[in-house]
Amino acid sequence: GQNIDQPTEMTATEGAIVQINCTYQTSGFNGLFWYQQHAGEAPTFLSYNVLDGLEEKGRFSSFLSRSKGYSYLLLKELQMKDSASYLCAVRDENQAGTALIFGKGTTLSVSS
Amino acid sequence: EAQVTQNPRYLITVTGKKLTVTCSQNMNHEYMSWYRQDPGLGLRQIYYSMNVEVTDKGDVPEGYKVSRKEKRNFPLILESPSPNQTSLYFCASTTSPDRAGTEAFFGQGTRLTVV
Repeated sequence: GQNIDQPTEMTATEGAIVQINCTYQTSGFNGLFWYQQHAGEAPTFLSYNVLDGLEEKGRFSSFLSRSKGYSYLLLKELQMKDSASYLCAVRDENQAGTALIFGKGTTLSVSS
Repeated sequence: EAQVTQNPRYLITVTGKKLTVTCSQNMNHEYMSWYRQDPGLGLRQIYYSMNVEVTDKGDVPEGYKVSRKEKRNFPLILESPSPNQTSLYFCASTTSPDRAGTEAFFGQGTRLTVV
């Protein structure tokens, strides 16, 4: 089966750096996505990793270690607008027709 | 503008009254899916469609139906809604789940309340 774990909640202050971890177990890993979701809104795509290493996109970076079944999303220079839920999602090629399997999300609260 | 459009955004209905939530995408995507999102449970897939006339159950299909008569549209049908189907629903589309790096695009969400 599949299992995706991430912390339920995190807090941080404006200007700080925060790292949101995600561990996963899948039988046919074929890529990991991070999405941002503000309350009541649609998830929006942040990053994608399929090979080991770090992908950087402005203030956001995402890291993947396939051997450890581990990823993290790094948010730098936090802003109030970064308060949102961050969803880790894995694509499992052994799941017929299933595009993405989502973790339950990490709610990040950024305070001033 | 590339988008996935769901309607309605908000709906309050009574138990047993059939309803349909529409979903339309303008990106010519083959793959479409429906999720429900509940507190503490995250996004769970209800149904998906690999292409026109090809649909299959996801993780939580009970009480739902779908159809895919055209590539752009993927309506979600609740034949006899019950209170446990009160949830936030999202439609999503992508070019192909087998193609590396293709992210899913989500609709704006439909908040359904069944009383």
